[in-house]
Amino acid sequence: NAGVTQTPKFQVLKTGQSMTLQCAQDMNHNSMYWYRQDPGMGLRLIYYSASEGTTDKGEVPNGYNVSRLNKREFSLRLESAAPSQTSVYFCASRGGGVGTQYFGPGTRLLVL
Amino acid sequence: SQQGEEDPQALSIQEGENATMNCSYKTSINNLQWYRQNSGRGLVHLILIRSNEREKHSGRLRVTLDTSKKSSSLLITASRAADTASYFCATETGANSKLTFGKGITLSVRP
Repeated sequence: NAGVTQTPKFQVLKTGQSMTLQCAQDMNHNSMYWYRQDPGMGLRLIYYSASEGTTDKGEVPNGYNVSRLNKREFSLRLESAAPSQTSVYFCASRGGGVGTQYFGPGTRLLVL
Repeated sequence: SQQGEEDPQALSIQEGENATMNCSYKTSINNLQWYRQNSGRGLVHLILIRSNEREKHSGRLRVTLDTSKKSSSLLITASRAADTASYFCATETGANSKLTFGKGITLSVRP
């Protein structure tokens, strides 16, 4: 039982390049989330998916797109990376009812 | 926007001492959760307290919630060097179970 996995662990991009961050969970959770964490800040929600087939914007969605590929997988895409998107990105999942979120190990992204 | 604000921003204590961390928030909540983050790692859930609860315990952790003051505190008793980490409070609001995190508290426990 791996929990929440994220790939890649680290990535360097040039301004304008695109990339997709992958996230998968094996806990059969309905809800999945993408956050970014910047130095000295808490986590800010980018997008979330309450269930398979649905996605909604969070607090900071600009510059990102998401795909809930199936119940297990939730990907985050940067179409044209900008230096302001340099951050650590965390994926999380949550089961039903009153529950906690389970986090992946994060992807460190550097945009030059 | 930051719903939760933790206090203090940083805390340094000796091993064996108790650590108290506070969190204040602005709007009505479904529940409040505390998470820990070790350096370079993801967040790990510690404890959840529902809006109709006032106190919960889990091992060396004690969390209180005062909805009239919109505040919560996390107490770690008999701290250990391994408790060194950042601690975040997060509030769940509304029907879609979104969490809003504070900026975190950096706890250092000196051996």
